[in-house]
Amino acid sequence: QQPVQSPQAVILREGEDAVINCSSSKALYSVHWYRQKHGEAPVFLMILLKGGEQKGHEKISASFNEKKQQSSLYLTASQLSYSGTYFCGTENGGTYKYIFGTGTRLKVLA
Amino acid sequence: DSGVTQTPKHLITATGQRVTLRCSPRSGDLSVYWYQQSLDQGLQFLIQYYNGEERAKGNILERFSAQQFPDLHSELNLSSLELGDSALYFCASSVGGGPEQFFGPGTRLTVL
Repeated sequence: QQPVQSPQAVILREGEDAVINCSSSKALYSVHWYRQKHGEAPVFLMILLKGGEQKGHEKISASFNEKKQQSSLYLTASQLSYSGTYFCGTENGGTYKYIFGTGTRLKVLA
Repeated sequence: DSGVTQTPKHLITATGQRVTLRCSPRSGDLSVYWYQQSLDQGLQFLIQYYNGEERAKGNILERFSAQQFPDLHSELNLSSLELGDSALYFCASSVGGGPEQFFGPGTRLTVL
């Protein structure tokens, strides 16, 4: 079962904040986040390994709640370069099968 | 540039044909992954190899097969192609099989 991301799409102005959510119906042991710009390959942003762990990457941070089987990606003071599609992903419980979420298209306007 | 190379960049072929996509991982990476990305399906995991051995299989059709060679490059073979196989095929690599994967630029396959 593919993790479900919300919102499906979001449009922001430069400098605004955004939150992207990732929910799974299965237990999550880790969550990783990727960004894919239009016409390009996905690029790894970060991985979260433990419940409640929060990590950051420049002005992008994320949280992971094991119990709720959810992760959220926080984009602060968004820049034009943040535009793209964001995917959460997870490994399916030790099987080495990677499952990516449904994706969230984010567009930052000047 | 991720360091992962894929050839060809574009491939146009007809239904029923067979094609081979090639991937060279980053230097030192032992794991290779193949993904299919189409507009309505998102990123679908196909298969993973680790140091020459198949490690995990995802939603890979029986008409598709892959292998990883001793020099660690990998090939994805797609046969009896159908219109629905048209998609972007990505290869990714990682050091040991962890989630930090480095994606190649992809091969865009068009089946006419």
